Amino acid sequence: QTVVTQEPSLTVSPGGTVTLTCASSTGAVTSGYYPNWFQQKPGQAPRPLIYSTSNIHSWTPARFSGSLLGGKAALTLSGVQPEDEAEYYCLLYYGGAWVFGGGTKLTVL
Amino acid sequence: QVQLQESGPGLVKPSETLSLTCSVSGASVSSGSHYWSWIRQPPGKGLEWIGYIYYSGSTNSNPSLKSRVTISVDTSKNQFSLKLSSVTAADTAVYYCATYIPQGGSFDYWGQGTLVTVSS
Repeated sequence: QTVVTQEPSLTVSPGGTVTLTCASSTGAVTSGYYPNWFQQKPGQAPRPLIYSTSNIHSWTPARFSGSLLGGKAALTLSGVQPEDEAEYYCLLYYGGAWVFGGGTKLTVL
Repeated sequence: QVQLQESGPGLVKPSETLSLTCSVSGASVSSGSHYWSWIRQPPGKGLEWIGYIYYSGSTNSNPSLKSRVTISVDTSKNQFSLKLSSVTAADTAVYYCATYIPQGGSFDYWGQGTLVTVSS
């Protein structure tokens, strides 16, 4: 059973920078896992932010960026805004199947 | 702009089959530009990928659900559907349909989701 692990919760101050990570139980995450990142606010559908490690959608604010960091996929928010408080999910590809991480609850305080 | 809308019964009895439809606008399910996927989220929990289908009928699904999942596409109605058999309370979730582009591995557009409760 493949497990994708994210930090359960993180707190950041407005204007600050925070990095969320996404690890695979199978080993280092590479570009071949096509990491995706989604933002979800209560009562809403997930909103895609990043695909294929670092590609942004046309609607993704410039303060969001994706990368690979220390064998994990990473989502960095620079200049955090209060409206960035949300749950964030990563998604990894395992040769035909996709597995979501458990999510990171980001608090802006 | 692609728009997706899920529809189907909100309540299903245990052991029965859950059936949902996703209506697509702004794109054609037969265009070949997207795959059409299903994802679910139990109340208060995380997301789970269910599977997807190409207009040709080619499908792929989560190994943990594969034996119970059927995904189909109706090009005449520009819709695709999910059937999940032998449901239990553990299948209670918000079910989302979404587009998937394999070149780049992107899930671009999502429906608003529909809650399905499994209960007698």
